[in-house]
Amino acid sequence: AQSVTQLGSHVSVSEGALVLLRCNYSSSVPPYLFWYVQYPNQGLQLLLKYTTGATLVKGINGFEAEFKKSETSFHLTKPSAHMSDAAEYFCAVSGVQGAQKLVFGQGTRLTINP
Amino acid sequence: DGGITQSPKYLFRKEGQNVTLSCEQNLNHDAMYWYRQDPGQGLRLIYYSQIVNDFQKGDIAEGYSVSREKKESFPLTVTSAQKNPTAFYLCASRREGQANTEAFFGQGTRLTVV
Repeated sequence: AQSVTQLGSHVSVSEGALVLLRCNYSSSVPPYLFWYVQYPNQGLQLLLKYTTGATLVKGINGFEAEFKKSETSFHLTKPSAHMSDAAEYFCAVSGVQGAQKLVFGQGTRLTINP
Repeated sequence: DGGITQSPKYLFRKEGQNVTLSCEQNLNHDAMYWYRQDPGQGLRLIYYSQIVNDFQKGDIAEGYSVSREKKESFPLTVTSAQKNPTAFYLCASRREGQANTEAFFGQGTRLTVV
């Protein structure tokens, strides 16, 4: 079965430090990949997506992700963490279990230390 | 503003009762989805619908039912057969037939069994 694995259910970084959230997918064909952010008791908001073309994708709030086919990865990064980045982040894949399904990872809770 | 509206935000259910969660969208999207979110388990797909009067079971459909009588509306009923209904429920919509497009989410409904 196709799947998404997010390494680390909880990541903690200091304010101003690099943020790195890891996502690996399993697929026999290149999928479409998404990162979403969720603040407490709210819905999910799209950060960025990879469909085709440039493998380095820039999103909102200074986040970016790089699609690496050879590593089946789509890690999310931000050079300098801000307190407002504290949230839960979900990686998702589409186009592999029927075009209409989005399969989500388990989520990574990001904590920012002052 | 276009978007997805879920109501109510908080819902309490007694044992043995059925409850219905509302989801309305004005994005003119054909596809709509219901996800269940539990801590540490990511989002799990309950039901989805690609067109009016048609819907398919997701990964955890047991104890739930849906209808899709209008394009804008996709209500979810949590029946008494659902043994552990306490969770955060998220509704989403997406353009039909477009695996490379993102899903848009509502703000969620938190259901608690009392």
